[in-house]
Amino acid sequence: DAGVTQSPTHLIKTRGQQVTLRCSPKSGHDTVSWYQQALGQGPQFIFQYYEEEERQRGNFPDRFSGHQFPNYSSELNVNALLLGDSALYLCASSFGETNEKLFFGSGTQLSVL
Amino acid sequence: QKEVEQNSGPLSVPEGAIASLNCTYSDRVSQSFFWYRQYSGKSPELIMSIYSNGDKEDGRFTAQLNKASQYVSLLIRDSQPSDSATYLCAVRRLTGGGNKLTFGTGTQLKVEL
Repeated sequence: DAGVTQSPTHLIKTRGQQVTLRCSPKSGHDTVSWYQQALGQGPQFIFQYYEEEERQRGNFPDRFSGHQFPNYSSELNVNALLLGDSALYLCASSFGETNEKLFFGSGTQLSVL
Repeated sequence: QKEVEQNSGPLSVPEGAIASLNCTYSDRVSQSFFWYRQYSGKSPELIMSIYSNGDKEDGRFTAQLNKASQYVSLLIRDSQPSDSATYLCAVRRLTGGGNKLTFGTGTQLKVEL
């Protein structure tokens, strides 16, 4: 039973570029959330996807966008990268929109130079 | 005032001792409370959840909740070196659906031989 898988594991970009991160939820899960974890900080909620729609959004600018596909996998897109976007991006999945038992992937470490 | 506050530590305890980790939250509408363990370079892993006032025990872990004081704690009995990690407190506000969690910055625990 595969857990939450994320790709790539590491990514280096330069300021102004765009990036796409990918996530496949745990088998049987239909809801995906994305979190940003800066060094020494706790994860911060970016948004949640359920039934291919964005259901909740945290305090992140419109440069952060996402998508959920019919197979429940998800993408996180960040445009016009800033140095401050350097962080570990975590995907979490759950079964059901309101199920708070989240399973996290191992994350994508994004470095913006 | 941060929504979820934790002492960043490090908290050092000798092997076999009780480790006590504390968390306060500001939003009285918070309904669900979680403790996640995060090893360095790894993703957060759920270890305890608690929803009502009092204590909840699971093996060597005990979560304590006091909603009147807006306080959550995690006790780890018979601490082992393998317990050395960052412990993240998370809360969920039961409004508007979704399963957004708000995390604290985490407390680093070091269990010394």
